[in-house]
Amino acid sequence: GENVEQHPSTLSVQEGDSAVIKCTYSDSASNYFPWYKQELGKRPQLIIDIRSNVGEKKDQRIAVTLNKTAKHFSLHITETQPEDSAVYFCAATHHFGAGTRLTVKP
Amino acid sequence: DTAVSQTPKYLVTQMGNDKSIKCEQNLGHDTMYWYKQDSKKFLKIMFSYNNKELIINETVPNRFSPKSPDKAHLNLHINSLELGDSAVYFCASSQDHTISSYNEQFFGPGTRLTVL
Repeated sequence: GENVEQHPSTLSVQEGDSAVIKCTYSDSASNYFPWYKQELGKRPQLIIDIRSNVGEKKDQRIAVTLNKTAKHFSLHITETQPEDSAVYFCAATHHFGAGTRLTVKP
Repeated sequence: DTAVSQTPKYLVTQMGNDKSIKCEQNLGHDTMYWYKQDSKKFLKIMFSYNNKELIINETVPNRFSPKSPDKAHLNLHINSLELGDSAVYFCASSQDHTISSYNEQFFGPGTRLTVL
Protein backbone atom coordinates (compact mmCIF):
# COMPACT_ATOMS: atom_id res chain seq x y z
CA GLY A 1 0.00 0.00 0.00
CA GLU A 2 0.87 3.67 -0.17
CA ASN A 3 3.26 5.13 2.43
CA VAL A 4 3.61 8.90 2.75
CA GLU A 5 6.43 10.43 4.78
CA GLN A 6 6.42 14.11 5.73
CA HIS A 7 9.20 16.33 7.10
CA PRO A 8 9.76 18.22 9.25
CA SER A 9 7.29 17.38 12.00
CA THR A 10 7.60 20.88 13.44
CA LEU A 11 8.72 24.11 11.80
CA SER A 12 9.13 27.52 13.35
CA VAL A 13 9.77 30.59 11.21
CA GLN A 14 9.80 34.34 11.64
CA GLU A 15 6.99 36.33 10.07
CA GLY A 16 7.89 37.19 6.50
CA ASP A 17 10.22 34.22 6.05
CA SER A 18 9.49 31.24 3.79
CA ALA A 19 8.47 27.78 4.95
CA VAL A 20 9.07 24.53 3.09
CA ILE A 21 7.51 21.16 3.88
CA LYS A 22 8.56 18.02 2.04
CA CYS A 23 6.82 14.70 1.41
CA THR A 24 7.70 11.43 -0.25
CA TYR A 25 5.38 8.66 -1.37
CA SER A 26 5.87 5.03 -2.33
CA ASP A 27 3.15 4.09 -4.84
CA SER A 28 4.10 5.19 -8.35
CA ALA A 29 0.43 4.85 -9.36
CA SER A 30 -0.57 7.78 -7.13
CA ASN A 31 -1.73 10.68 -9.27
CA TYR A 32 -3.21 13.24 -6.92
CA PHE A 33 -1.33 15.17 -4.23
CA PRO A 34 -3.35 17.54 -2.06
CA TRP A 35 -2.16 19.68 0.84
CA TYR A 36 -4.45 20.38 3.77
CA LYS A 37 -4.27 22.96 6.55
CA GLN A 38 -5.75 22.11 9.93
CA GLU A 39 -6.13 24.79 12.57
CA LEU A 40 -6.48 23.82 16.21
CA GLY A 41 -9.79 22.10 16.87
CA LYS A 42 -10.94 22.46 13.27
CA ARG A 43 -11.33 20.27 10.23
CA PRO A 44 -8.63 19.84 7.56
CA GLN A 45 -9.15 22.15 4.59
CA LEU A 46 -7.57 21.94 1.17
CA ILE A 47 -5.14 24.75 0.40
CA ILE A 48 -3.63 23.53 -2.85
CA ASP A 49 -3.36 20.33 -4.87
CA ILE A 50 -1.37 19.04 -7.81
CA ARG A 51 -1.90 16.23 -10.27
CA SER A 52 0.80 14.06 -11.76
CA ASN A 53 0.72 15.72 -15.17
CA VAL A 54 1.91 18.99 -13.63
CA GLY A 55 5.30 19.76 -12.08
CA GLU A 56 4.47 22.97 -10.26
CA LYS A 57 1.44 24.96 -9.22
CA LYS A 58 1.18 28.32 -7.53
CA ASP A 59 -1.61 30.17 -5.76
CA GLN A 60 -0.57 33.56 -4.38
CA ARG A 61 1.87 32.85 -1.50
CA ILE A 62 1.55 29.08 -1.77
CA ALA A 63 3.27 26.83 -4.29
CA VAL A 64 3.62 23.09 -4.66
CA THR A 65 6.20 21.16 -6.69
CA LEU A 66 6.07 17.53 -7.74
CA ASN A 67 8.87 15.25 -8.88
CA LYS A 68 7.22 12.02 -10.05
CA THR A 69 10.51 10.31 -10.84
CA ALA A 70 11.80 10.80 -7.32
CA LYS A 71 8.31 10.42 -5.82
CA HIS A 72 8.48 13.57 -3.77
CA PHE A 73 6.50 16.78 -3.55
CA SER A 74 6.89 19.95 -1.54
CA LEU A 75 4.85 22.84 -0.21
CA HIS A 76 6.33 26.33 -0.23
CA ILE A 77 4.79 29.22 1.67
CA THR A 78 6.34 32.63 1.10
CA GLU A 79 5.97 35.80 3.18
CA THR A 80 4.56 33.81 6.08
CA GLN A 81 2.05 35.43 8.42
CA PRO A 82 1.00 34.47 11.98
CA GLU A 83 -2.32 33.20 10.60
CA ASP A 84 -0.41 30.59 8.60
CA SER A 85 0.31 28.85 11.92
CA ALA A 86 -1.41 25.44 11.79
CA VAL A 87 -0.75 21.77 11.08
CA TYR A 88 -0.18 21.04 7.40
CA PHE A 89 -0.78 17.62 5.89
CA CYS A 90 0.39 16.31 2.55
CA ALA A 91 -1.40 13.38 0.96
CA ALA A 92 -1.08 10.97 -1.92
CA THR A 93 -4.72 10.41 -2.93
CA HIS A 94 -6.27 9.54 0.44
CA HIS A 95 -3.10 8.52 2.32
CA PHE A 96 -1.91 11.32 4.57
CA GLY A 97 1.51 12.23 5.89
CA ALA A 98 2.04 12.64 9.63
CA GLY A 99 1.64 16.41 9.51
CA THR A 100 3.89 19.43 10.09
CA ARG A 101 3.14 21.88 12.86
CA LEU A 102 4.07 25.31 11.49
CA THR A 103 4.49 28.21 13.88
CA VAL A 104 4.98 31.71 12.48
CA LYS A 105 6.39 34.08 15.08
CA PRO A 106 5.39 37.74 14.79
CA ASP B 1 -25.67 25.43 4.86
CA THR B 2 -23.06 23.03 6.16
CA ALA B 3 -21.58 21.00 3.29
CA VAL B 4 -20.53 17.95 5.33
CA SER B 5 -22.11 17.48 8.73
CA GLN B 6 -21.51 14.94 11.48
CA THR B 7 -23.40 14.03 14.62
CA PRO B 8 -22.66 13.98 17.42
CA LYS B 9 -19.80 16.46 17.82
CA TYR B 10 -18.74 14.87 21.11
CA LEU B 11 -19.29 11.32 22.31
CA VAL B 12 -18.23 10.07 25.73
CA THR B 13 -18.95 6.44 26.52
CA GLN B 14 -17.84 3.45 28.54
CA MET B 15 -15.66 0.62 27.31
CA GLY B 16 -17.68 -2.21 25.81
CA ASN B 17 -20.55 -0.04 24.60
CA ASP B 18 -21.78 0.22 21.00
CA LYS B 19 -22.10 3.65 19.39
CA SER B 20 -22.80 5.24 16.01
CA ILE B 21 -21.64 8.39 14.29
CA LYS B 22 -23.66 9.85 11.43
CA CYS B 23 -22.44 11.79 8.42
CA GLU B 24 -24.34 13.64 5.72
CA GLN B 25 -23.18 15.67 2.73
CA ASN B 26 -25.32 18.00 0.63
CA LEU B 27 -22.74 18.58 -2.11
CA GLY B 28 -24.07 15.93 -4.47
CA HIS B 29 -20.77 14.05 -4.22
CA ASP B 30 -20.48 10.38 -5.12
CA THR B 31 -17.72 9.38 -2.70
CA MET B 32 -17.58 9.53 1.08
CA TYR B 33 -14.84 8.62 3.56
CA TRP B 34 -14.17 8.00 7.22
CA TYR B 35 -10.84 8.99 8.78
CA LYS B 36 -9.49 8.50 12.29
CA GLN B 37 -7.25 11.20 13.79
CA ASP B 38 -5.44 10.02 16.90
CA SER B 39 -3.90 12.05 19.71
CA LYS B 40 -0.73 12.56 17.66
CA LYS B 41 -2.86 14.15 14.91
CA PHE B 42 -2.15 11.37 12.42
CA LEU B 43 -5.01 11.13 9.88
CA LYS B 44 -5.69 7.59 8.71
CA ILE B 45 -8.23 6.49 6.11
CA MET B 46 -10.62 3.84 7.38
CA PHE B 47 -13.31 3.38 4.74
CA SER B 48 -14.59 4.86 1.53
CA TYR B 49 -17.89 4.40 -0.27
CA ASN B 50 -18.80 5.36 -3.81
CA ASN B 51 -22.51 5.49 -4.59
CA LYS B 52 -23.28 3.28 -1.59
CA GLU B 53 -20.63 0.72 -2.51
CA LEU B 54 -17.55 0.01 -0.39
CA ILE B 55 -14.38 0.83 -2.34
CA ILE B 56 -11.75 1.23 0.38
CA ASN B 57 -11.49 -0.86 3.52
CA GLU B 58 -8.18 -0.34 5.25
CA THR B 59 -6.98 -2.57 8.07
CA VAL B 60 -9.70 -1.72 10.55
CA PRO B 61 -11.05 -4.05 13.27
CA ASN B 62 -14.32 -5.80 12.45
CA ARG B 63 -15.87 -3.88 15.34
CA PHE B 64 -16.11 -0.94 12.95
CA SER B 65 -18.89 -1.22 10.40
CA PRO B 66 -19.75 1.53 7.93
CA LYS B 67 -23.21 1.80 6.43
CA SER B 68 -24.29 3.92 3.48
CA PRO B 69 -28.08 4.04 3.08
CA ASP B 70 -27.69 6.43 0.13
CA LYS B 71 -24.84 8.34 -1.46
CA ALA B 72 -25.43 11.39 0.74
CA HIS B 73 -24.99 9.48 4.00
CA LEU B 74 -22.20 7.37 5.47
CA ASN B 75 -22.60 6.24 9.06
CA LEU B 76 -20.05 4.53 11.26
CA HIS B 77 -21.07 1.97 13.87
CA ILE B 78 -18.57 0.79 16.45
CA ASN B 79 -19.16 -2.31 18.58
CA SER B 80 -17.50 -3.17 21.88
CA LEU B 81 -15.66 0.13 22.21
CA GLU B 82 -12.08 0.02 23.48
CA LEU B 83 -9.85 2.67 25.08
CA GLY B 84 -7.76 2.81 21.90
CA ASP B 85 -10.79 3.88 19.89
CA SER B 86 -10.62 7.30 21.52
CA ALA B 87 -9.88 9.75 18.71
CA VAL B 88 -11.47 12.35 16.46
CA TYR B 89 -13.35 10.75 13.58
CA PHE B 90 -13.72 12.81 10.42
CA CYS B 91 -16.14 12.17 7.62
CA ALA B 92 -15.30 13.58 4.18
CA SER B 93 -16.70 13.58 0.68
CA SER B 94 -15.37 14.15 -2.82
CA GLN B 95 -16.97 14.40 -6.23
CA ASP B 96 -15.47 11.11 -7.35
CA HIS B 97 -12.71 8.66 -6.46
CA THR B 98 -11.10 7.77 -9.77
CA ILE B 99 -7.37 8.18 -9.62
CA SER B 100 -7.10 10.14 -12.85
CA SER B 101 -9.52 12.83 -11.71
CA TYR B 102 -9.31 12.73 -7.96
CA ASN B 103 -11.07 15.67 -6.48
CA GLU B 104 -10.83 17.75 -3.38
CA GLN B 105 -12.10 16.17 -0.19
CA PHE B 106 -14.42 18.23 1.98
CA PHE B 107 -14.22 17.30 5.63
CA GLY B 108 -16.92 17.33 8.27
CA PRO B 109 -16.32 19.07 11.62
CA GLY B 110 -15.24 15.84 13.31
CA THR B 111 -16.61 13.75 16.18
CA ARG B 112 -14.47 13.55 19.29
CA LEU B 113 -14.95 10.07 20.77
CA THR B 114 -13.75 9.44 24.30
CA VAL B 115 -13.89 5.92 25.67
CA LEU B 116 -13.60 5.67 29.46
